[in-house]
Amino acid sequence: GAGVSQSPSNKVTEKGKDVELRCDPISGHTALYWYRQSLGQGLEFLIYFQGNSAPDKSGLPSDRFSAERTGGSVSTLTIQRTQQEDSAVYLCASSLQIAGRGRNEQFFGPGTRLTVL
Amino acid sequence: KQEVTQIPAALSVPEGENLVLNCSFTDSAIYNLQWFRQDPGKGLTSLLLIQSSQREQTSGRLNASLDKSSGRSTLYIAASQPGDSATYLCAVDSSASKIIFGSGTRLSIRP
Repeated sequence: GAGVSQSPSNKVTEKGKDVELRCDPISGHTALYWYRQSLGQGLEFLIYFQGNSAPDKSGLPSDRFSAERTGGSVSTLTIQRTQQEDSAVYLCASSLQIAGRGRNEQFFGPGTRLTVL
Repeated sequence: KQEVTQIPAALSVPEGENLVLNCSFTDSAIYNLQWFRQDPGKGLTSLLLIQSSQREQTSGRLNASLDKSSGRSTLYIAASQPGDSATYLCAVDSSASKIIFGSGTRLSIRP
C-alpha cells in the first residue's frame, strides 16, 4: 500500500488477556517506531527499529510489552496480561534513515485503539 | 535531555486570521524538526519537515521556521479556515535522544 497501515483499528479485550497489534510500514522504509497516546495526552515513545540494528526498547513501560520486526518490514507489538492503564491509541510510524542526518520524515498509520475492560 | 514545549495548549481564532503556533526545545543539537496535525480519533499527518541546516519550509498556506540557537520553531498558518481545526504537534529529532514530541496545540477556527 501507499501508506502505513495498522490492524486492527479497534481492539477491546479483557484485563489479563494478551493482545497483538500489527504495523505494515511503507515499503522501503528502514525505520519503524511505535508510540502510545493516552486520552488527551501527547505521544509516548515505545520502541524504535532501524534496519538490522538492535531495537531501541527504552520507551517500553514494562516487561509485559514487547515488539518484533520480521524481515525488516512488518512489526508486531505484543502486550501480555493487559491492564486497564494500557488502554490507549497505539500509533506506528515509518521513515527512511539517512546516514549522518538522523531520521527522515515520519509517516504515521491510523493507529489501533485499545480498550482494556 | 531534550524537552519540547508547545504554547499555547489551545487557541481559538475567527476564520480568515493569520496565526502562529510555537514550539520550543531545550537541546539545540538537532537533526530536524517536524510539524504534524492530528484530527480527533485519527493518526498524525505530516505537514512540514525542517532539517537542521534549513531556516524555513513552506507548503501552501503553511510556513514553518526554525531557529536552533534560540531553540524555537514556529508554524505560521495564513488565512485560516475551519478545516484547519485540529491539534498541531511538533517533534524534534536530536542527536542525543529519540524523537521527542510536544504536547500539542489544539486549534479551533471559528466560522
